[in-house]
Amino acid sequence: DAKTTQPTSMDCAEGRAANLPCNHSTISGNEYVYWYRQIHSQGPQYIIHGLKNNETNEMASLIITEDRKSSTLILPHATLRDTAVYYCIVLTVTGNQFYFGTGTSLTVIP
Amino acid sequence: ETGVTQSPTHLIKTRGQQVTLRCSSQSGHNTVSWYQQALGQGPQFIFQYYREEENGRGNFPPRFSGLQFPNYSSELNVNALELDDSALYLCAIGTIEETQYFGPGTRLLVL
Repeated sequence: DAKTTQPTSMDCAEGRAANLPCNHSTISGNEYVYWYRQIHSQGPQYIIHGLKNNETNEMASLIITEDRKSSTLILPHATLRDTAVYYCIVLTVTGNQFYFGTGTSLTVIP
Repeated sequence: ETGVTQSPTHLIKTRGQQVTLRCSSQSGHNTVSWYQQALGQGPQFIFQYYREEENGRGNFPPRFSGLQFPNYSSELNVNALELDDSALYLCAIGTIEETQYFGPGTRLLVL
């Protein structure tokens, strides 16, 4: 089971921040939140992951709520190349068997 | 670039045939996982190999099998192909407790 809930689709204007939400209300204390994206017909691309604290890297920021039941992936300045399906995944620290849901299809509009 | 390569990129088979898909990586790792992605769906976990042994399996029948070699390359074998096996097959490499990196996939069409 995917154990996450994401909106089916979202639009974002080019140059604006894209905020992609994810609900994971049944997450356990030892489960990480991972984000991947998949551009049409390519393999999923790793974006970021976190356990409790907010995380930032060169691609995005991950904001995890204090109760860890939801998170938001932030692309600070969306470009047309960020158009993709974004997957939020929870994963135990001792396993790396990803269970993907259907993800959020993000369209960046010029 | 993840350094993960898969071959072939595309493949057409007929029902009942057998197929072997391959995955390799430039970097050291000890896990390889295989996923099936049907059109319009998210990837579905098939199985994972860790140090050449199967280390977890999703809801796939035994006709889906795999191998991991000492050089960390891997094969996915599917016997008795069915029409529903048409999909994008993805491999992902990594280490236990760390991030996995996916290859570009092999698109299989079963006629």
